Amino acid sequence: NAGVMQNPRHLVRRRGQEARLRCSPMKGHSHVYWYRQLPEEGLKFMVYLQKENIIDESGMPKERFSAEFPKEGPSILRIQQVVRGDSAAYFCASSLTAGGGTDTQYFGPGTRLTVL
Amino acid sequence: GQQLNQSPQSMFIQEGEDVSMNCTSSSIFNTWLWYKQDPGEGPVLLIALYKAGELTSNGRLTAQFGITRKDSFLNISASIPSDVGIYFCAGQLLQWGNTGKLIFGQGTTLQVKP
Repeated sequence: NAGVMQNPRHLVRRRGQEARLRCSPMKGHSHVYWYRQLPEEGLKFMVYLQKENIIDESGMPKERFSAEFPKEGPSILRIQQVVRGDSAAYFCASSLTAGGGTDTQYFGPGTRLTVL
Repeated sequence: GQQLNQSPQSMFIQEGEDVSMNCTSSSIFNTWLWYKQDPGEGPVLLIALYKAGELTSNGRLTAQFGITRKDSFLNISASIPSDVGIYFCAGQLLQWGNTGKLIFGQGTTLQVKP
């Protein structure tokens, strides 16, 4: 029973390049959350998606960041024209439902993005 | 926006000692979660709390959901070296207009001396 999978685990980009981070939720999960963790800090919510829909993007920067969760395939977090301040660990979490009761979010191992 | 204050920020203890950490919030939650994060890994769920006043144990770990719904604590008894890591509390508010996103504390870094 595979958990949440993320790839790549490490990604190095130069300023101005694009970064694509992938997340495959746990089997049967159709709810995906993306979080960002800066060094020495807790995780900060970015965006919540269900299949083919963005439900809550209140934590996403207004520019350069986008996310999708297509009907087939993994969820993608895309960062265009990366800057040094984008260097962080990006975590994906999935859940069976939108939450409530005993449903909880399970996290992947993260993608560590380094912008040179 | 909602904020969680987690304390202490770090702890350095002797193996066998008990540990206590807590989180307080400026607003209420209806779910409290405690996660542990090892270096280079994602957070792993330790304990989930769903009702105010609830006290739940998982082995040597015990956590409680505060009566006011604005706080939670985590205790670790008889610590061992593998308890080393960063512990995060997270709150969740599931109601109309809130989509289940987690609000995280800043983390408590635990080091255990053998």
